Amino acid sequence: DAKTTQPTSMDCAEGRAANLPCNHSTISGNEYVYWYRQIHSQGPQYIIHGLKNNETNEMASLIITEDRKSSTLILPHATLRDTAVYYCIVVPNTGNQFYFGTGTSLTVIP
Amino acid sequence: DTGVSQDPRHKITKRGQNVTFRCDPISEHNRLYWYRQTLGQGPEFLTYFQNEAQLEKSRLLSDRFSAERPKGSFSTLEIQRTEQGDSAMYLCASIGQGADIQYFGAGTRLSVL
Repeated sequence: DAKTTQPTSMDCAEGRAANLPCNHSTISGNEYVYWYRQIHSQGPQYIIHGLKNNETNEMASLIITEDRKSSTLILPHATLRDTAVYYCIVVPNTGNQFYFGTGTSLTVIP
Repeated sequence: DTGVSQDPRHKITKRGQNVTFRCDPISEHNRLYWYRQTLGQGPEFLTYFQNEAQLEKSRLLSDRFSAERPKGSFSTLEIQRTEQGDSAMYLCASIGQGADIQYFGAGTRLSVL
């Protein structure tokens, strides 16, 4: 599976957009990009996923570059409850086990 | 949809004891995964079931670990002769046939003293 690289930590002001980057330069054409987050002491929570096109749901937007070597998760209006570790994961198909990295620890500041 | 349920949420045991954790996936989800997460790290894949068949095991799953899913519904993860290094959060996830989202349980936190 392709490896991902994420910043270790980020801060974001409450109410502002949080933009979390992920590099996956070795991604293959059939590999999906998934984003999960994990709030302290809870299990990972699904946010969004995509293959080639940008995606949006009620939680976030996923922007995938045209060459698919990187992506950005956008939380449009961050709240204190969005403070969590965010994981970017690349998998060859949607049923595979995930290989998590260490993710990005996002802190939303009041 | 009641979500993925794991029991117990917390387990404290003495070194050398055996422990067993249970995972109840979302109803009718045919694939079930076990992961382990240590402090400051992301979850690490341990093993995977499709229905009752255990299809893949990570090298992290030593001989002291065994997982079962006897009727293709709930699953158990047993650790024999626990060691302090087994202290971690054990997470279970499930996904339905033809679906594309893994749903995780809240995990079982194991502390080995």
